[in-house]
Amino acid sequence: DTGVSQNPRHKITKRGQNVTFRCDPISEHNRLYWYRQTLGQGPEFLTYFQNEAQLEKSRLLSDRFSAERPKGSFSTLEIQRTEQGDSAMYLCASSFAVGGRNTEAFFGQGTRLTVV
Amino acid sequence: EDQVTQSPEALRLQEGESSSLNCSYTVSGLRGLFWYRQDPGKGPEFLFTLYSAGEEKEKERLKATLTKKESFLHITAPKPEDSATYLCAVRTEGTNFNKFYFGSGTKLNVKP
Repeated sequence: DTGVSQNPRHKITKRGQNVTFRCDPISEHNRLYWYRQTLGQGPEFLTYFQNEAQLEKSRLLSDRFSAERPKGSFSTLEIQRTEQGDSAMYLCASSFAVGGRNTEAFFGQGTRLTVV
Repeated sequence: EDQVTQSPEALRLQEGESSSLNCSYTVSGLRGLFWYRQDPGKGPEFLFTLYSAGEEKEKERLKATLTKKESFLHITAPKPEDSATYLCAVRTEGTNFNKFYFGSGTKLNVKP
């Protein structure tokens, strides 16, 4: 296993277009997280999945954002009608949780979105 | 409200000059404190997990410690390749609220 994989690495889109990012977690991990990071800031939580169930969404996740994790494997994050303020690095992470224990989260290399 | 604060924002060291980075937190029910290293344009790379006050972890020139209110990342005799942003994150308790809160990071620059 090569770790968490994110595609594409870079995306440039025009304002108003829709974009979709993909994340492939570490295979045995049942938790998957999406974060957004802007320059000079730490990652901000967007949403997370336990298997295929989306358990929490941040207030940052407006109606234009939607995330899915069909069959508890890979996940997609879609942004509709992109705005310049959506420009950021979108990070995916995964971890393994069982009972009351949850391992550390391992991150992918991120998708850098630029909205022009 | 849960909060994670890292200081300093930036730190410049000469090679071999030891120092410490601070991460202070106010959260309801800590379920782990995590240190990550992040290089420009890349995702965070996991370094350490600390679960209880008094715990310490070491890896090469890095040593992480934890108290009830803060964590320190000690860097001994740093090298230029240690230059990166160091992020601290906490995980809080709750049935479905197992998410990670990150600080803004400390950008470390080690000059040869």
